[in-house]
Amino acid sequence: GDSVTQMEGPVTLSEEAFLTINCTYTATGYPSLFWYVQYPGEGLQLLLKATKADDKGSNKGFEATYRKETTSFHLEKGSVQVSDSAVYFCALSRGNNDMRFGAGTRLTVKP
Amino acid sequence: EAQVTQNPRYLITVTGKKLTVTCSQNMNHEYMSWYRQDPGLGLRQIYYSMNVEVTDKGDVPEGYKVSRKEKRNFPLILESPSPNQTSLYFCASRFSGRYNEQFFGPGTRLTVL
Repeated sequence: GDSVTQMEGPVTLSEEAFLTINCTYTATGYPSLFWYVQYPGEGLQLLLKATKADDKGSNKGFEATYRKETTSFHLEKGSVQVSDSAVYFCALSRGNNDMRFGAGTRLTVKP
Repeated sequence: EAQVTQNPRYLITVTGKKLTVTCSQNMNHEYMSWYRQDPGLGLRQIYYSMNVEVTDKGDVPEGYKVSRKEKRNFPLILESPSPNQTSLYFCASRFSGRYNEQFFGPGTRLTVL
């Protein structure tokens, strides 16, 4: 069945460091791919998405490119801030049978 | 404001005492879903509903019930809660179709003693 694998955390970075969180997926067909972010005490909210191969999703300085050849959707940000501290979830969707989520990666950014 | 609301936000109960967690959305979404979040396991789907009166099991449905009598509401029912149902629960909704993002409620933290 469909599945998403994320790099294990937690990840701790200094402010202004470069961030990469790896995400790979297993799915038949052509899923849509998403990154969600969960700030402390809150629900998940969409960070970015890509709906077809080679699409790049971007938002708030974060980027991820849909790579079908490597079945990956890695999240990157060039310069993280303390306010980016959160849990990040990679997810895929193939249709009405809902999303599959990775286990989540906790990011802590220190000043 | 477009949102998904859940109540209660926090609940401590005892084994076997029936409880209901309510979920409501005001975006006219067809699709609603319940998840539980546990450390190291990410989000796992409990039940989902593609529209009124249409519900189906997700990955971890045992011990839970749902109903969808109205489009905006999707309550989660635990008939006889057990300690292994201690978790953080999220309700979510979206329009049908794989391109559409899900909107999540703020979560309900349930502790079963």
